[in-house]
Amino acid sequence: DAKTTQPPSMDCAEGRAANLPCNHSTISGNEYVYWYRQIHSQGPQYIIHGLKNNETNEMASLIITEDRKSSTLILPHATLRDTAVYYCIVRVGNYGQNFVFGPGTRLSVLP
Amino acid sequence: SAVISQKPSRDICQRGTSLTIQCQVDSQVTMMFWYRQQPGQSLTLIATANQGSEATYESGFVIDKFPISRPNLTFSTLTVSNMSPEDSSIYLCSVRRSGSGFTDTQYFGPGTRLTVL
Repeated sequence: DAKTTQPPSMDCAEGRAANLPCNHSTISGNEYVYWYRQIHSQGPQYIIHGLKNNETNEMASLIITEDRKSSTLILPHATLRDTAVYYCIVRVGNYGQNFVFGPGTRLSVLP
Repeated sequence: SAVISQKPSRDICQRGTSLTIQCQVDSQVTMMFWYRQQPGQSLTLIATANQGSEATYESGFVIDKFPISRPNLTFSTLTVSNMSPEDSSIYLCSVRRSGSGFTDTQYFGPGTRLTVL
């Protein structure tokens, strides 16, 4: 079973920051938070992952609360091409647990 | 990252037939995975395929229905046998690669969209 809770859908205006929340209140100390997205009819795309520190890459930023019970994926300047289903996944970081996909958040970026 | 290709990209099949889906990776990987995504649903893991050993199937999936081959470290096939309309789904191949800080990351192919009539 998925260990995360995400809102089923969100809207965001083009050019604005998209902030996607994820709750993972039962996360263990050695579990990482991973984010993927799936654009319609394509395979899921890896975005970012982190343990407890905030992370940033060319695609997004990941903000994890100090108690690690929730996190937020930030797309700083959303474009229409960012419209997708975004999945938040919690798992041990190395070759162990499978990636379990929940229903995710359907983000619609509006012109 | 990993470059993963799948063949065919889509197919329409008749009930009772079988389809073999191929997955090719751009470099050697130990673990390969097959997922199913039914219409409007999230991804479900079918099985894990390691080279040189039998595939490990998740609950609800059996080898007779979804036989898997893993002849080398860059290639795998998934066969959907004796198909019925309920098998209409997107089938995805996936691999893991090591990342920073002793973590790994999973990458996905483009998927094979199967429609069974």
